[in-house]
Amino acid sequence: EPEVTQTPSHQVTQMGQEVILRCVPISNHLYFYWYRQILGQKVEFLVSFYNNEISEKSEIFDDQFSVERPDGSNFTLKIRSTKLEDSAMYFCASIPDGGRRYNEQFFGPGTRLTVL
Amino acid sequence: ILNVEQSPQSLHVQEGDSTNFTCSFPSSNFYALHWYRWETAKSPEALFVMTLNGDEKKKGRISATLNTKEGYSYLYIKGSQPEDSATYLCAFHGSGNTGKLIFGQGTTLQVKP
Repeated sequence: EPEVTQTPSHQVTQMGQEVILRCVPISNHLYFYWYRQILGQKVEFLVSFYNNEISEKSEIFDDQFSVERPDGSNFTLKIRSTKLEDSAMYFCASIPDGGRRYNEQFFGPGTRLTVL
Repeated sequence: ILNVEQSPQSLHVQEGDSTNFTCSFPSSNFYALHWYRWETAKSPEALFVMTLNGDEKKKGRISATLNTKEGYSYLYIKGSQPEDSATYLCAFHGSGNTGKLIFGQGTTLQVKP
């Protein structure tokens, strides 16, 4: 069964460093998302991406964050200068049809980012 | 600020017990309510996507109901098994957006053999 994959599973970085989190959504999916969960808190929406552009972003998704789909398969989240408070589990999700956004979202297993 | 709340936060039951959790969400601008099951170190897995007031969905021993007028959904597990141990997340999907989900804090269920 097709699944969303994410790499790495765990990333440790120093404060101020850039990180890139990678996701490979299911191949025929069209709408992509990043969420994160800080330990002990709710899963929170970061950004949605459709047709090669951001369609919605949260207040968390400031200038330090960016997303792109460089090659039609990978979907990446970049944090330019990490802060301690960026430590969280980051989830990628996708849905097959941009026009039917009530569809279930297919989640990856997450990347745990630890900023020291 | 849209808020989604789940209760209880955690639950310990014996194998064979039936249990239920609550999710409360905004009753305005409703589009869909999602339930996910999340086991440690695995991907959250969709259980149900519910869109209609009064809707009831079932998958094996798990079922869910939806009341959009008052803004709540119940998830029921009949005859809990140890393999049901997981965190159950509900997520509100409001109208007029891009599929953004607003999650509750989850209910962590532990079923003891």
